[in-house]
Amino acid sequence: GESVGLHLPTLSVQEGDNSIINCAYSNSASDYFIWYKQESGKGPQFIIDIRSNMDKRQGQRVTVLLNKTVKHLSLQIAATQPGDSAVYFCAEIRGFGNEKLTFGTGTRLTIIP
Amino acid sequence: SAVISQKPSRDICQRGTSLTIQCQVDSQVTMMFWYRQQPGQSLTLIATANQGSEATYESGFVIDKFPISRPNLTFSTLTVSNMSPEDSSIYLCSVRNRVATGEQYFGPGTRLTVT
Repeated sequence: GESVGLHLPTLSVQEGDNSIINCAYSNSASDYFIWYKQESGKGPQFIIDIRSNMDKRQGQRVTVLLNKTVKHLSLQIAATQPGDSAVYFCAEIRGFGNEKLTFGTGTRLTIIP
Repeated sequence: SAVISQKPSRDICQRGTSLTIQCQVDSQVTMMFWYRQQPGQSLTLIATANQGSEATYESGFVIDKFPISRPNLTFSTLTVSNMSPEDSSIYLCSVRNRVATGEQYFGPGTRLTVT
C-alpha cells in the first residue's frame, strides 16, 4: 500500500558534522511533508514542514529538501550537537480534505561526542 | 505552537479494566487527534476527535474499544476499554490549528502498561 518510509533505521554522526536523514514516499498526491524529532520519553516535536510546491525550506540549523521526481525527502542537520540525538520521523499529509498525518518508520540519530 | 498536557503521564492497569486519558490544550484548536505508539515503533492514528459529534475512527479502531469525547475546542478524552496486554502502548494527543498546513503538535504522551 501507499506509505512513507525511511531508508535507514539508525545513523551515527560525529558531533559537529552534518547529518542527512532520508525518507521516501509513494503517494504523489501528498501535499505537505513534515519532520518530527522524538526524544526518549517525549512526544514528537515539530521541526519543519514543506509544501509539495517547494523544493527546499530552511530553518535553524535544519534544511528540508523535497525531490518530487523521485519522491524523496531529506532532513539535513548542520553542525550536530548531542541534543540532536533522537528518533526522527518523516510524515505526510495527503491533500486538502484528508487532513490525516501518516508517519514513516523513523530513524534513530546518535551524535557521537 | 500549542501547549498540550496529558493526564495521566503513565499508568499500570489490570487487564479487563478501562483507563481514560485526558488531553488539555492551552488554546482553542481546530483539529484534535489521538495516536498510538507501540514500543520502538512509529505512530498510528486512532481517530480524529470531533467537537460535539462522534469521533472518526481509522481502520482497525472501533468506538467500543476506544471511546473518545471532545466537549469543546480545548479538551478531549480517550478511553481504552476492557484492556489487554496488547493495549500496552504510548497514547498521544495531537492538535492542528489550521487546515492546509503541516504544523501539527503532540502532547507528551501517556505510557500505558497492562498486566
